[in-house]
Amino acid sequence: DQQVKQNSPSLSVQEGRISILNCDYTNSMFDYFLWYKKYPAEGPTFLISISSIKDKNEDGRFTVFLNKSAKHLSLHIVPSQPGDSAVYFCAASVGNAGKSTFGDGTTLTVKP
Amino acid sequence: DAGVIQSPRHEVTEMGQEVTLRCKPISGHNSLFWYRQTMMRGLELLIYFNNNVPIDDSGMPEDRFSAKMPNASFSTLKIQPSEPRDSAVYFCASSLGWKSPLHFGNGTRLTVT
Repeated sequence: DQQVKQNSPSLSVQEGRISILNCDYTNSMFDYFLWYKKYPAEGPTFLISISSIKDKNEDGRFTVFLNKSAKHLSLHIVPSQPGDSAVYFCAASVGNAGKSTFGDGTTLTVKP
Repeated sequence: DAGVIQSPRHEVTEMGQEVTLRCKPISGHNSLFWYRQTMMRGLELLIYFNNNVPIDDSGMPEDRFSAKMPNASFSTLKIQPSEPRDSAVYFCASSLGWKSPLHFGNGTRLTVT
């Protein structure tokens, strides 16, 4: 039973346009959500997070939206840049953010 | 800050051999996590420590796996004996605790033949 799902294995967008990465979860107990970015041969790096008491969090070009009733969150990147090309992981936790359940990742390719 | 440091970066060993993976967390971080990434199961938590004490090892697949954290700046993950199905990328991560995000090392790619 996969509790965190990223249904799109890959996404390709043009530089300057918006990238939208989606994530669905099944466990209603999750109270903290995070997005990590991963380049090849490196470990994941933290990007942005959101608590279940909020529905939106912004950090520069990155915005995460949370829809608790739909058990869905999304990451918006505007404008997308070629350096954003990476694998993006959605993660969810109950209490301890380090004890996260990860999705399988979405590979984002931003074309110049 | 050097970040989380893992060694070795790559390890190739034969089935039945003992494997030891090492991790140095970020100074000042009080929580340390070992994750494993495989094609079949994605990123999964194996064990985590808080203030050097193992808190949850429910993700450790078998008794062949063991982890220690003798002090705040060092942790090991040992597999004895290793099997081909243990082949994966093993990540160590540290955090300041509770709602703090993980800081991952660059991983150890383990291949067991």
